Amino acid sequence: DTGVSQDPRHKITKRGQNVTFRCDPISEHNRLYWYRQTLGQGPEFLTYFQNEAQLEKSRLLSDRFSAERPKGSFSTLEIQRTEQGDSAMYLCASSLVRNQETQYFGPGTRLLVL
Amino acid sequence: GENVEQHPSTLSVQEGDSAVIKCTYSDSASNYFPWYKQELGKRPQLIIDIRSNVGEKKDQRIAVTLNKTAKHFSLHITETQPEDSAVYFCAASKRDDKIIFGKGTRLHILP
Repeated sequence: DTGVSQDPRHKITKRGQNVTFRCDPISEHNRLYWYRQTLGQGPEFLTYFQNEAQLEKSRLLSDRFSAERPKGSFSTLEIQRTEQGDSAMYLCASSLVRNQETQYFGPGTRLLVL
Repeated sequence: GENVEQHPSTLSVQEGDSAVIKCTYSDSASNYFPWYKQELGKRPQLIIDIRSNVGEKKDQRIAVTLNKTAKHFSLHITETQPEDSAVYFCAASKRDDKIIFGKGTRLHILP
């Protein structure tokens, strides 16, 4: 499968714990985006990278959230001290800037904070 | 920042009829308008997109129209089929920028 992949697909954690998600973009895609989607809503932008540089962070991204893309390939999204309000689907997407804006989504990681 | 409004939130149409979903955007600098289809428990899938240098684009039973002056764009699905049942999201972005999504339209195709 040469599409965007995410791991894990599901995560259940207790409030206060830290969690980390991974996204592997389509190879050669230089842009990588993180979105959050709650039930009945559209994906909300969190942050994005071009290669290893983090270019923008949404105001939705509190200081408990951190994202990295150290080698310009896969990315990780970490949530520290999780809260029940963090429960959502976390989606990753990638694109090739040369192909302008078309973004391809991964299957998502569904997080449930108890 | 950009704001995308989408209507209706739910739409039921008889199989074989047409469905229309409408969106508006606020940032006149937006120039790319993708539409995504999301089935229950699955990832959003791009079904069609339009750039601001054209007013209409068609792909088989799906068409999108764009009115830049009014900042409106619409998705038209003709001859609807049961497999068209899903949530549809419109979105807008500026060149090489993040995508801002609407809240989605849940489309039900009635037998």
